[in-house]
Amino acid sequence: NAGVTQTPKFQVLKTGQSMTLQCAQDMNHNSMYWYRQDPGMGLRLIYYSASEGTTDKGEVPNGYNVSRLNKREFSLRLESAAPSQTSVYFCASSTSGSSYEQYFGPGTRLTVT
Amino acid sequence: SQQGEEDPQALSIQEGENATMNCSYKTSINNLQWYRQNSGRGLVHLILIRSNEREKHSGRLRVTLDTSKKSSSLLITASRAADTASYFCARGSGYSTLTFGKGTMLLVSP
Repeated sequence: NAGVTQTPKFQVLKTGQSMTLQCAQDMNHNSMYWYRQDPGMGLRLIYYSASEGTTDKGEVPNGYNVSRLNKREFSLRLESAAPSQTSVYFCASSTSGSSYEQYFGPGTRLTVT
Repeated sequence: SQQGEEDPQALSIQEGENATMNCSYKTSINNLQWYRQNSGRGLVHLILIRSNEREKHSGRLRVTLDTSKKSSSLLITASRAADTASYFCARGSGYSTLTFGKGTMLLVSP
């Protein structure tokens, strides 16, 4: 039982390049989330998927897109990376919505030069 | 904007002492959750307290919630060096999402 897994762990991009961050959970959770964490800013929600087949914007969605591929997988895509997207990205999942605890992956540290 | 705000931003104590962290918020909540983050790791859920609860315990953790003051506190008793981490409160108000605060960095020295 791996919980929430994220790939890659580290990534360096040049401005304008694109990439997809992958996230998978094996807990049969309905809800999945993407956050970014910047120094002194806490966690900010980028996008979330309340259930399979739905996605919604969070607090900071600009420059990102997401795909809920199936119940297990939720990917985050940066179409044209910018230095402002340098951050640590966390994926999380929960049984269903905000009434339940969230389980977090180990994070992806992304640097955009 | 972030609605859960922790206080203090940083806290340094000796092993064996108690650590108290506070969280304030601005709008009504369904529940409030506390998470721990060790350096370079993902967040780990500690405890969830619902809006109709006033106090909850889990091992050395005690969480209180005062909805009239829109505040919560996390007490860690008999702290250990292994408790060194950042602690975040997260407010659940809508159906789907949590709003996290900026966290309290706790340093427990041996």
